[in-house]
Amino acid sequence: NAGVTQTPKFQVLKTGQSMTLQCAQDMNHEYMSWYRQDPGMGLRLIHYSVGAGITDQGEVPNGYNVSRSTTEDFPLRLLSAAPSQTSVYFCASKGESYGYTFGSGTRLTVV
Amino acid sequence: GQQLNQSPQSMFIQEGEDVSMNCTSSSIFNTWLWYKQDPGEGPVLLIALYKAGELTSNGRLTAQFGITRKDSFLNISASIPSDVGIYFCAVPTSGTYKYIFGTGTRLKVLA
Repeated sequence: NAGVTQTPKFQVLKTGQSMTLQCAQDMNHEYMSWYRQDPGMGLRLIHYSVGAGITDQGEVPNGYNVSRSTTEDFPLRLLSAAPSQTSVYFCASKGESYGYTFGSGTRLTVV
Repeated sequence: GQQLNQSPQSMFIQEGEDVSMNCTSSSIFNTWLWYKQDPGEGPVLLIALYKAGELTSNGRLTAQFGITRKDSFLNISASIPSDVGIYFCAVPTSGTYKYIFGTGTRLKVLA
């Protein structure tokens, strides 16, 4: 049972490049979320999904797109990377009980 | 937007000491959760609290749901080196799926 799998673990992008951070869960969880973690700012919610085909914005959605075509996958897209998007990104999923299960993160650097 | 403030921001303690940290908000919440993040990993759920005044333990960890429902506290007794990490509080802000996290308390244990 893999839980929440994020790829890649590390990525360096040039300003203006686009990329997709992948997230997959094998627990049949309905709810999935993307967070970014920056020093001193904790974890901030980017986007979340309450089921396949349903997504909504979190606290810091600008510059990011998401889609949820299946229960298992919830990719995060950066259309035009900016240095301000340098961060560690976490994907998480949960079922009906309290508590999200997190992936191990993607460390993104935009130069 | 809603914000969870954690205190202290960081702390160094000697192995064997007890640790206390707290999380406060200007809003009322009906559930409080505590997570721990080990270096290089995603956060892991430690304790969930569902009722004002509730005191819940998980091994050497004890958490309390503040009576005002605007705060929560986490205590670690007899700290050991593996307690090193970042501790986050979290609350669900919309139904049971949109979580916000606190700014984190970074704990370092000196052997």
